[in-house]
Amino acid sequence: EPEVTQTPSHQVTQMGQEVILRCVPISNHLYFYWYRQILGQKVEFLVSFYNNEISEKSEIFDDQFSVERPDGSNFTLKIRSTKLEDSAMYFCASGQEGGSVSYNEQFFGPGTRLTVL
Amino acid sequence: KQEVTQIPAALSVPEGENLVLNCSFTDSAIYNLQWFRQDPGKGLTSLLLIQSSQREQTSGRLNASLDKSSGRSTLYIAASQPGDSATYLCAAMNYGGSQGNLIFGKGTKLSVKP
Repeated sequence: EPEVTQTPSHQVTQMGQEVILRCVPISNHLYFYWYRQILGQKVEFLVSFYNNEISEKSEIFDDQFSVERPDGSNFTLKIRSTKLEDSAMYFCASGQEGGSVSYNEQFFGPGTRLTVL
Repeated sequence: KQEVTQIPAALSVPEGENLVLNCSFTDSAIYNLQWFRQDPGKGLTSLLLIQSSQREQTSGRLNASLDKSSGRSTLYIAASQPGDSATYLCAAMNYGGSQGNLIFGKGTKLSVKP
């Protein structure tokens, strides 16, 4: 069964460093998302991506964050200068091909645990 | 602004019991509502998606209902098993979000005792 994959599973970095989190969405999906979950808190929406551009972003997704779909299969989240409060589990998700987004079930990857020291 | 709440935060039941998990949302203008399962330290597994025009969805021992007018959804688990132990999250997709971001509740942590 197709699934969303993410690498690495765990990333440790120093404050101020740049990190890139990688995701391979389900093939033929058209909608892509990043969410994050700080330990013990709710899963929060960061950004959605469709047709090679950002569709929507939350207040969390400031200028330190960027997303890219560099090669038609990978979907990346870059944090330019990490802060302690960026420590969280980051989930990539993708939505089914075709139809309206309102009918799209979102499928999540296993997550990347980011630890900023 | 949409708020999603799940009660109770934790639930412990003996194996074989039927149970109901509750989810409420403040803004009834939703496209759909999705239920997920999350195992400790793991990702989110989609269980059921209910469209706004639907009243319920079933998958195996799981049945999810949606009442938009009252802002509530329930997840019914029949004949619970220890393997059902996990955190269950509900998430609403609102109108107005151009590409469908989900707004999550904090989850109900379910423990099924053998």
